Amino acid sequence: NAGVTQTPKFQVLKTGQSMTLQCAQDMNHEYMSWYRQDPGMGLRLIHYSVGAGITDQGEVPNGYNVSRSTTEDFPLRLLSAAPSQTSVYFCASSYDFRPGSGATEAFFGQGTRLTVV
Amino acid sequence: GDSVTQMEGPVTLSEEAFLTINCTYTATGYPSLFWYVQYPGEGLQLLLKATKADDKGSNKGFEATYRKETTSFHLEKGSVQVSDSAVYFCALRGGSYIPTFGRGTSLIVHP
Repeated sequence: NAGVTQTPKFQVLKTGQSMTLQCAQDMNHEYMSWYRQDPGMGLRLIHYSVGAGITDQGEVPNGYNVSRSTTEDFPLRLLSAAPSQTSVYFCASSYDFRPGSGATEAFFGQGTRLTVV
Repeated sequence: GDSVTQMEGPVTLSEEAFLTINCTYTATGYPSLFWYVQYPGEGLQLLLKATKADDKGSNKGFEATYRKETTSFHLEKGSVQVSDSAVYFCALRGGSYIPTFGRGTSLIVHP
């Protein structure tokens, strides 16, 4: 059972380039999300999805797009990379997103370390 | 809205010392509470959880008790090891399906 798989693990981009961070899970989880982690800032939610075809913005969505065409995959697209997007990106998923199902923990990928120069 | 406050780090200890990392929360209703651990270069992974008041979560020698009266979920370990060096995140999941994370506390354990 692979869990949550993120690719690539490391990436260097030039300012203005675009790219897609891949995230796949094999646990049939409905809820998936993307976070960025920066020193002293903790985890900040970028976008999330409660199922195929349904996405919504988190705390810091500007400069990022997402789509959810299947339950398994939730790619994050950087439209025009900026140095401010240098960060470590984590994808997470959980089984049950319904309010009141709070016991369900999140499963995280290993992260993608992105540097924009 | 929901919020989680945890003590700022880094927390620096010698091996075999007692560990406490404080976590308090604000939430409506009865949230579930979690501690996650992030080892260097890795993603977060669940360490322990508690779903209702007075529940104690435990794993790998770590413990935390859900205290509704003080809205706290402090993480403790009686004797830390060098291998416990990591970043620890307190989190809650309440009425919203979006979990709320604290900012993380770095633990450094010296031999």
